[in-house]
Amino acid sequence: GAGVSQSPSNKVTEKGKDVELRCDPISGHTALYWYRQSLGQGLEFLIYFQGNSAPDKSGLPSDRFSAERTGGSVSTLTIQRTQQEDSAVYLCASSLDAVAGNNEQFFGPGTRLTVL
Amino acid sequence: TQLLEQSPQFLSIQEGENLTVYCNSSSVFSSLQWYRQEPGEGPVLLVTVVTGGEVKKLKRLTFQFGDARKDSSLHITAAQPGDTGLYLCAGPNYGGSQGNLIFGKGTKLSVKP
Repeated sequence: GAGVSQSPSNKVTEKGKDVELRCDPISGHTALYWYRQSLGQGLEFLIYFQGNSAPDKSGLPSDRFSAERTGGSVSTLTIQRTQQEDSAVYLCASSLDAVAGNNEQFFGPGTRLTVL
Repeated sequence: TQLLEQSPQFLSIQEGENLTVYCNSSSVFSSLQWYRQEPGEGPVLLVTVVTGGEVKKLKRLTFQFGDARKDSSLHITAAQPGDTGLYLCAGPNYGGSQGNLIFGKGTKLSVKP
């Protein structure tokens, strides 16, 4: 079946502009995650959705970042007034059920964001 | 604060050599996972270890979970160019919501033919 898809694959924007990144999780997966990966670095957790529960936003670096998940499926990550330090690869992952300890997350290919 | 520290950060070897990469923490984890990430792609889960002292083998890859469940290692025998990639370890984030993972910064492996 189809894996996690993300769009666009690459996004170049000017400082101060808003951007929207999209994630289509695997059908039936109740948990969805957004991560940020800077060059050569590990994954920085941003936000996590689990079913109909309130999202865990504890990883969002500033109030310029927000995300929503409509109908328990597709998610969009919005970055307002982008800054150069926002340049990174944004990865989305989904999992069947977020059970701590044995949580296999399936990742999309990421969106590479470049802020000029 | 939970941290997962991986070493070495970079590793460049010749095809056929053996190597070991490490994932260490001062915190106890109920489980640890290893992912491999290739350029332009997202990470892919290789293995989950859940029992202290556990050893799991995946073809030429051997994963070990420390007895105290604070560390893990990945050993690759007779490395091949196809093993090239970023190896990440991850564990449950007890400070966050259930299901959330924290990741180490990874070991970037390059295997030259």
